[in-house]
Amino acid sequence: EAQVTQNPRYLITVTGKKLTVTCSQNMNHEYMSWYRQDPGLGLRQIYYSMNVEVTDKGDVPEGYKVSRKEKRNFPLILESPSPNQTSLYFCASGNGFYNSPLHFGNGTRLTVT
Amino acid sequence: GQQLNQSPQSMFIQEGEDVSMNCTSSSIFNTWLWYKQDPGEGPVLLIALYKAGELTSNGRLTAQFGITRKDSFLNISASIPSDVGIYFCAGHPGNTGNQFYFGTGTSLTVIP
Repeated sequence: EAQVTQNPRYLITVTGKKLTVTCSQNMNHEYMSWYRQDPGLGLRQIYYSMNVEVTDKGDVPEGYKVSRKEKRNFPLILESPSPNQTSLYFCASGNGFYNSPLHFGNGTRLTVT
Repeated sequence: GQQLNQSPQSMFIQEGEDVSMNCTSSSIFNTWLWYKQDPGEGPVLLIALYKAGELTSNGRLTAQFGITRKDSFLNISASIPSDVGIYFCAGHPGNTGNQFYFGTGTSLTVIP
């Protein structure tokens, strides 16, 4: 089954404790992206990747890092999480053709205390 | 980045009623997508539109790509309880990559 898999689904952590949210897709998609979703603000893009070893900032990249060492994986790294990063995070992938629809994971709800 | 204006923000309707929502942009898009997000899940694609004026249906859902290319509309006919969720529009400006801009969502509640 074609899917985007995120882990974990839920994560509670404390300020400053480094964490990684994993994202994997099995559709051989070139494009992958991370979004955060906050009430009233919709989906805001954090980082995206057009292909292996190619990453770029989205609209809200501060406090986040990503890497794209393999085509299928695109982890989101929070080196020193802060409470304002409490949010619902989604990973998405697309086949790279400029307007092909994005496929989303089921989300990771992160709480930073 | 650009945010799309989506309205209404929320809707409370009786089961069986029809629903209309829209999405507008200040700039032209070449592609419009409509997604639905169930509680606790990720957005799932409902309809994709690629041509100005295009009207596309998916079961009880119908979406239209506005003639001006700055707006799109989604209609749901004869709503049922499982239509509950958040509906998002997304637009692509036609440049390279999968860079879509998203609306802020319409939250739909269907009262049985």
